[in-house]
Amino acid sequence: EPEVTQTPSHQVTQMGQEVILRCVPISNHLYFYWYRQILGQKVEFLVSFYNNEISEKSEIFDDQFSVERPDGSNFTLKIRSTKLEDSAMYFCASRGQGGTEAFFGQGTRLTVV
Amino acid sequence: QKEVEQNSGPLSVPEGAIASLNCTYSDRGSQSFFWYRQYSGKSPELIMFIYSNGDKEDGRFTAQLNKASQYVSLLIRDSQPSDSATYLCAVNNNNNDMRFGAGTRLTVKP
Repeated sequence: EPEVTQTPSHQVTQMGQEVILRCVPISNHLYFYWYRQILGQKVEFLVSFYNNEISEKSEIFDDQFSVERPDGSNFTLKIRSTKLEDSAMYFCASRGQGGTEAFFGQGTRLTVV
Repeated sequence: QKEVEQNSGPLSVPEGAIASLNCTYSDRGSQSFFWYRQYSGKSPELIMFIYSNGDKEDGRFTAQLNKASQYVSLLIRDSQPSDSATYLCAVNNNNNDMRFGAGTRLTVKP
């Protein structure tokens, strides 16, 4: 069964460092998302991406964040200068054309120390 | 006003009982509604989706939608301890981007 794959599963980084979280969406999907979940809190929308551009972004997605689809398979989230409060689980999701439900990857746990 | 609201719980029911989870949403133009289950430390997993007013049944799960009241619910019949998880209500906005409620933590006691 097709699935969304995220790497790494856990990333530890020092405050101020750049991190790149990677996602491989389901192959024929066209809509891509990043969500964040701080431990014990709700799943928060960060950004949606379609046709090689950002469709919508939340107020969380400030200038420190960027997304990219560098090739036909990967979808990345970059945090330029990490802060302690960026520590969270980051979920990638994808959706197919005509489909409405999003399928989630297993997440990357980011720990900023 | 929050886009999607749920009671955070915890909701505790005995094994075999019916668990009732509720959700309200603010965007009257929303067309698609979802229930996801999330086990601790895991990613959300789709249980059901519903588009039309009324009930939709799938095994022990029934989703109910009332667009006039902007209300969607999930009933779990014959609750099992393995149903213990956080249940996330999600609603698609005009861009088909999904917004989640805070989740309701359900505990099913043996």
